[in-house]
Amino acid sequence: GAGVSQSPRYKVTKRGQDVALRCDPISGHVSLYWYRQALGQGPEFLTYFNYEAQQDKSGLPNDRFSAERPEGSISTLTIQRTEQRDSAMYRCASSGASGRSSYNEQFFGPGTRLTVL
Amino acid sequence: DAKTTQPPSMDCAEGRAANLPCNHSTISGNEYVYWYRQIHSQGPQYIIHGLKNNETNEMASLIITEDRKSSTLILPHATLRDTAVYYCIADLGSSNTGKLIFGQGTTLQVKP
Repeated sequence: GAGVSQSPRYKVTKRGQDVALRCDPISGHVSLYWYRQALGQGPEFLTYFNYEAQQDKSGLPNDRFSAERPEGSISTLTIQRTEQRDSAMYRCASSGASGRSSYNEQFFGPGTRLTVL
Repeated sequence: DAKTTQPPSMDCAEGRAANLPCNHSTISGNEYVYWYRQIHSQGPQYIIHGLKNNETNEMASLIITEDRKSSTLILPHATLRDTAVYYCIADLGSSNTGKLIFGQGTTLQVKP
């Protein structure tokens, strides 16, 4: 079946522009996570949704970053007034279990490579 | 979430068992040990998890010490396709939002 998909796969933008990154989770998955990964580093947690509710946004670096999941399915991560330091791979993951389940296998998408010039 | 410590890199001969260690000396009683791996530029992939007992699935075995301060992921017959970065994560499971805190991981190189 279809896995997690993300679009665009690559995004090049100029400093100061806004970008919107989209995540399509596996159909029916309750939980959705956003991570950011710098080259040579492990993924870094950004935010988490349980259905449409944003349960944890402690990893968002500053108020230029926001995320939504209005209907409990597709999610959008928005970065306003992008800066060069925002350049990274942005990964989305979904899980069929609620985050509070002891079994929480997360399925990751291919990521969006963001480059801010 | 407990901090985990892993060696930065390891080599393994193809066909042999790969034993990847992880220290989690500050793990709390309700934290699970999860293992994920990341092959090249792909997204991380779940391997296995456990709380106290040893676990085995079609991919690997997880051996957790009795005091739960360390664990070992075992790939019984490593292949070239197992070359990847392996992450050991201590997670609160039912008490947590489910966010995963990745460290640096261990880069496993399987050699012919």
